[in-house]
Amino acid sequence: AQSVSQHNHHVILSEAASLELGCNYSYGGTVNLFWYVQYPGQHLQLLLKYFSGDPLVKGIKGFEAEFIKSKFSFNLRKPSVQWSDTAEYFCAVNGMGSGNTGKLIFGQGTTLQVKP
Amino acid sequence: EAQVTQNPRYLITVTGKKLTVTCSQNMNHEYMSWYRQDPGLGLRQIYYSMNVEVTDKGDVPEGYKVSRKEKRNFPLILESPSPNQTSLYFCASSLSAVNEQFFGPGTRLTVL
Repeated sequence: AQSVSQHNHHVILSEAASLELGCNYSYGGTVNLFWYVQYPGQHLQLLLKYFSGDPLVKGIKGFEAEFIKSKFSFNLRKPSVQWSDTAEYFCAVNGMGSGNTGKLIFGQGTTLQVKP
Repeated sequence: EAQVTQNPRYLITVTGKKLTVTCSQNMNHEYMSWYRQDPGLGLRQIYYSMNVEVTDKGDVPEGYKVSRKEKRNFPLILESPSPNQTSLYFCASSLSAVNEQFFGPGTRLTVL
């Protein structure tokens, strides 16, 4: 079955600490990969995406993610977090096979709390 | 401004009272979709529409209906809401099924 697993459900960091959020997926084919962020009370916003090419992708607000095909992983990183990064983060996968319905398969989400 | 809009943003209703949540996008996107977000479950797709001619069920379609009479609008209809449909609902749109999806602000629905 297709699924996305985010290993960390709740992460607490101090400002300036480095961040890495794990994401692994299970899908029998080519995928597009996404990280979305949901700030408190707001809608989901795209942080970054991977379709093809360089497996290290850079997104907005200093975030980056690395696609490791052999590990079915797409981990999100940021060298130095800020208080304003406090939010919920979702990893999502969209299968690219024939019959693709466009369905995004989301992980359960990781709540990041950054302490000033 | 390119955006997806939803109305209402908040709704409290009672079991069995039909309701419609509207969704509209101004980006000329072909693909639209509805998701519900529940704690610990992430987002799950309810219905999607590839274009105005193709609409189909997602993972959790029971109790919901949709229509796509024109490209920009994709309303979600709850004919007879039940308490288990209390959730946060998001509409999304995309150029196509393989592109990134843009999300609306969400509708928080409570069914008593």
